[in-house]
Amino acid sequence: DAKTTQPNSMESNEEEPVHLPCNHSTISGTDYIHWYRQLPSQGPEYVIHGLTSNVNNRMASLAIAEDRKSSTLILHRATLRDAAVYYCILRVGAGGTSYGKLTFGQGTILTVHP
Amino acid sequence: GAVVSQHPSWVICKSGTSVKIECRSLDFQATTMFWYRQFPKQSLMLMATSNEGSKATYEQGVEKDKFLINHASLTLSTLTVTSAHPEDSSFYICSATTGKVPYEQYFGPGTRLTVT
Repeated sequence: DAKTTQPNSMESNEEEPVHLPCNHSTISGTDYIHWYRQLPSQGPEYVIHGLTSNVNNRMASLAIAEDRKSSTLILHRATLRDAAVYYCILRVGAGGTSYGKLTFGQGTILTVHP
Repeated sequence: GAVVSQHPSWVICKSGTSVKIECRSLDFQATTMFWYRQFPKQSLMLMATSNEGSKATYEQGVEKDKFLINHASLTLSTLTVTSAHPEDSSFYICSATTGKVPYEQYFGPGTRLTVT
């Protein structure tokens, strides 16, 4: 399975934008890029996903590099409730032997300062 | 929408006993459910994948006779930890997917198991 690389931790101030990077240089053409976040003692929460084009939803934006070897999760205005571990995961597309499975890495611990 | 529940949220059991954890998709039919385990300050580790009506597929290193998974309906999967030992103490999390576009997984809140 293709792997992702994320910084161990990042810090931000409240109400400022946050850009969380993710490298996935071995991504294959059918792999989807998913982002989840996890608050302490809770299950992960879906944030956003994309394949090739940039994506926006009410929670965040996902910017995908043209060669798809990296992506960036953008939180436009961080709040204290955004403090969590953010996971960037490649999900194998249809037809892959690991179809549907998510392999979690260590993620990025985001700290938001008031 | 897309809510997944787990029961119980926490459980304490004695070594050698068995514990059953339920995972339910409340407002959608889940063709596939996944079970994860998470130790303190570590990431989630996939234990097994279960499809409704068929046997679960276990990840390498996960004992299928110790962690029994049943996916009897499109809204319910259970994980039974048999003959639990203190090293099985962990945070167990399930997820469910409809198997349709966009294929995201919806996670339950997790179950904290402590074996004494």
